[in-house]
Amino acid sequence: NAGVTQTPKFQVLKTGQSMTLQCAQDMNHNSMYWYRQDPGMGLRLIYYSASEGTTDKGEVPNGYNVSRLNKRGFSLRLESAAPSQTSVYFCASSEGEVRVYEQYFGPGTRLTVT
Amino acid sequence: AQSVAQPEDQVNVAEGNPLTVKCTYSVSGNPYLFWYVQYPNRGLQFLLKYITGDNLVKGSYGFEAEFNKSQTSFHLKKPSALVSDSALYFCAVRDSDMRFGAGTRLTVKP
Repeated sequence: NAGVTQTPKFQVLKTGQSMTLQCAQDMNHNSMYWYRQDPGMGLRLIYYSASEGTTDKGEVPNGYNVSRLNKRGFSLRLESAAPSQTSVYFCASSEGEVRVYEQYFGPGTRLTVT
Repeated sequence: AQSVAQPEDQVNVAEGNPLTVKCTYSVSGNPYLFWYVQYPNRGLQFLLKYITGDNLVKGSYGFEAEFNKSQTSFHLKKPSALVSDSALYFCAVRDSDMRFGAGTRLTVKP
């Protein structure tokens, strides 16, 4: 099992450009999540998908959109990148959205917006 | 809304000594508490969780955590630290969603 995979690993964008971060999991998990990690701030939830076909906003959704492609895939789109979106982005999955389940994380995408 | 605090940015211990990484939480209902570890340039890895039951929870790599309801704490502990334990540790509480602490960098020196 590959677990949770993310592409790309690194990306540099100019302000105003768009891009999509891809995430896939092969653990047959129902729930998937997108976080951003900034120094001294821990991880903050951007969007999540409790199950296939549903998506919901997290703590910091502005400037992002998501798409739950199927049970395996969950993509994050930046329509018009801003320097404030420079961060490390992590995708995660869990068996369900119920609170008892731990999350499994991908290796991250390091995004720089100039 | 739930929140979690890790009061120490950095913890330094000598190899072979016991280690403690502190975490306090605030949640309106029953707490669901987690510890994760992050090695350089990697995603977070699950260490252990408290859902209900025994206050002392055992997890991966010899780590354990003690749930203390009266002090609203969930401190991570290990009896004998290894240099390879050096990493960034995150406490998290789950209520309506998962909230992470800011992280504590643990450095274990030989």
